[in-house]
Amino acid sequence: GESVGLHLPTLSVQEGDNSIINCAYSNSASDYFIWYKQESGKGPQFIIDIRSNMDKRQGQRVTVLLNKTVKHLSLQIAATQPGDSAVYFCAETHGNTPLVFGKGTRLSVIA
Amino acid sequence: SQTIHQWPATLVQPVGSPLSLECTVEGTSNPNLYWYRQAAGRGLQLLFYSVGIGQISSEVPQNLSASRPQDRQFILSSKKLLLSDSGFYLCAWATGQGHEKLFFGSGTQLSVL
Repeated sequence: GESVGLHLPTLSVQEGDNSIINCAYSNSASDYFIWYKQESGKGPQFIIDIRSNMDKRQGQRVTVLLNKTVKHLSLQIAATQPGDSAVYFCAETHGNTPLVFGKGTRLSVIA
Repeated sequence: SQTIHQWPATLVQPVGSPLSLECTVEGTSNPNLYWYRQAAGRGLQLLFYSVGIGQISSEVPQNLSASRPQDRQFILSSKKLLLSDSGFYLCAWATGQGHEKLFFGSGTQLSVL
């Protein structure tokens, strides 16, 4: 997993544009990856997940891309809306170990 | 459908006082249960998880303890709170088949003063 920083990275996007949130992981044995959205004062909500036998998975307005070669995961949000403003976390696991969360990225949508 | 209940939503406690946060899950059997803590502006730190009644795994040494007295009940406790125990506490559950898709409760904001 990633170390936790003092300040969350922030991504600002214009409403209607596409957003890309990135996540790097360090454990090459990780075989399951997941993205969560957390709004202020609330618990994280599941967005989308992907297993290591896949490179891409699509949901409603969201796509997760997995590049195992460089240990990189991304979340793409199409036509970003104000309601997408939140902190986004990636998490990983392998075998029988609990999820390890990244430090999060704050997405701000400019209307 | 499955639901997770976590309470209270907000708690202000003096240093040295005890703590008990409760989490219950409905609509599923033998879930894996988790307690995470989130400091302001930071990621989620796993504190404890449980794969069955009475089975507790601790991830970090700390002033806290966890118990699972019933299949769908998970309790986070402390005998004497420290200032550093302040934070946003999240309970979560997953199906008993692994530690993959977690479903989180609404969280408890704990302020130790």
